[in-house]
Amino acid sequence: QSVLTQPPSVSGAPGQKVTISCTGSGSNIGAGFDVHWYQQLPGTAPKLIIYGNNNRPSGVPDRFSGSVSGTSASLAITGLQATDEADYYCQSYDSSLSDFVVFGGGTKLTVL
Amino acid sequence: QVQLQESGPGLVKPSHTLSLTCTVSGGSISSSRSSWNWIRQHPGKGLEWIGHIYNGGTTYYNPSLKSRLTLSLDTPKRQLSLKLISVTAADTAVYYCAKGGTDDAFHIWGLGTMVTVSA
Repeated sequence: QSVLTQPPSVSGAPGQKVTISCTGSGSNIGAGFDVHWYQQLPGTAPKLIIYGNNNRPSGVPDRFSGSVSGTSASLAITGLQATDEADYYCQSYDSSLSDFVVFGGGTKLTVL
Repeated sequence: QVQLQESGPGLVKPSHTLSLTCTVSGGSISSSRSSWNWIRQHPGKGLEWIGHIYNGGTTYYNPSLKSRLTLSLDTPKRQLSLKLISVTAADTAVYYCAKGGTDDAFHIWGLGTMVTVSA
């Protein structure tokens, strides 16, 4: 059971927009800790695609964007491409028991 | 550009100690603003943060692993190390090292190394 909750899967057709949610609580996202997002292509290491809630590292297309509201965060991907098919993970910080880093359970994005 | 490379035994016997090393190239590990992290991924599962260490030696561990875990840094060798005692099959996973920024995001990852715990 992950501290941050993500839908197991989402899907969309090429060119469409998809949104992946990441639901936390008052001890992590709701406490104001930053949310970061990672993309993991099959058989590879995760790659940071959004940091600090809504910032993109150099080289990440502006089709990827992040947002936070209350105790939840979202990753939006517009202009969906076949190469976007991957697992996506959100990450934040939790202060409930002892301060530590937490991940969402991951969401599998399928491009139809 | 900083690159990370994990290394270690692919197979460890139950109840034994798992030791992994991550070698940093293309940059220093002496920055006081960076954390050096270990993260693992069980087969077919999600990511689990193991712990991190700062250049000054301060460590933070996942509470679920704290009693079995030791992280260390060898600055001259530019290596970070993980030692996990009393391993079981539940420790079978791909182990990644990653460089964390001041924002706690993992900006740079190694390729990962698969560890299987089996007799």
